[in-house]
Amino acid sequence: GAVVSQHPSWVICKSGTSVKIECRSLDFQATTMFWYRQFPKQSLMLMATSNEGSKATYEQGVEKDKFLINHASLTLSTLTVTSAHPEDSSFYICSARRDRGGEQYFGPGTRLTVT
Amino acid sequence: AQSVTQPDIHITVSEGASLELRCNYSYGATPYLFWYVQSPGQGLQLLLKYFSGDTLVQGIKGFEAEFKRSQSSFNLRKPSVHWSDAAEYFCAVGAGGGATNKLIFGTGTLLAVQP
Repeated sequence: GAVVSQHPSWVICKSGTSVKIECRSLDFQATTMFWYRQFPKQSLMLMATSNEGSKATYEQGVEKDKFLINHASLTLSTLTVTSAHPEDSSFYICSARRDRGGEQYFGPGTRLTVT
Repeated sequence: AQSVTQPDIHITVSEGASLELRCNYSYGATPYLFWYVQSPGQGLQLLLKYFSGDTLVQGIKGFEAEFKRSQSSFNLRKPSVHWSDAAEYFCAVGAGGGATNKLIFGTGTLLAVQP
């Protein structure tokens, strides 16, 4: 158990459009989900933390109006990149955690390319 | 500020040889330390973690790591590498007031295994 999926696995969009990425915990309920961004040859950088039913907490430097996070249920969180620009092209990874102090289980990631 | 350094960007070892991946951390309090492995198309998988107690931690897939407070290190080791171990390895420290509230990752070490 403890499987996290992401959809889509890769997406190409045009500059100025918005794209939504889904993160699902398939076999457990996740009270907390995390969104990371990974640039090539760099580490994962935490973007935001979301608890089910609450507003997401964004890390310093992450634009909350650009990266909209919704954690509407205990098994689904979405990240919407609004008005995407080429510099938003990256690998986005989510993770989910059952409860405070528990392990984070990671999804396989979504490759976003903005043209 | 908390940080994790993985000095080796890329390591190549022969199958059957021993392996040590280096990780140094900077953290004010007692750290929560993790090693993850990332294979293409798959999410990060937890290999092992250190919270407290015995400084030599055993993990999955035959990996172990040793916490050395005096050196601020948490190096990952395996006595005999298998071809399937080729992947990217990330060291992380748990920050944010809890073991898994906020993970700070190193830049990763890409392991190649020669036959």
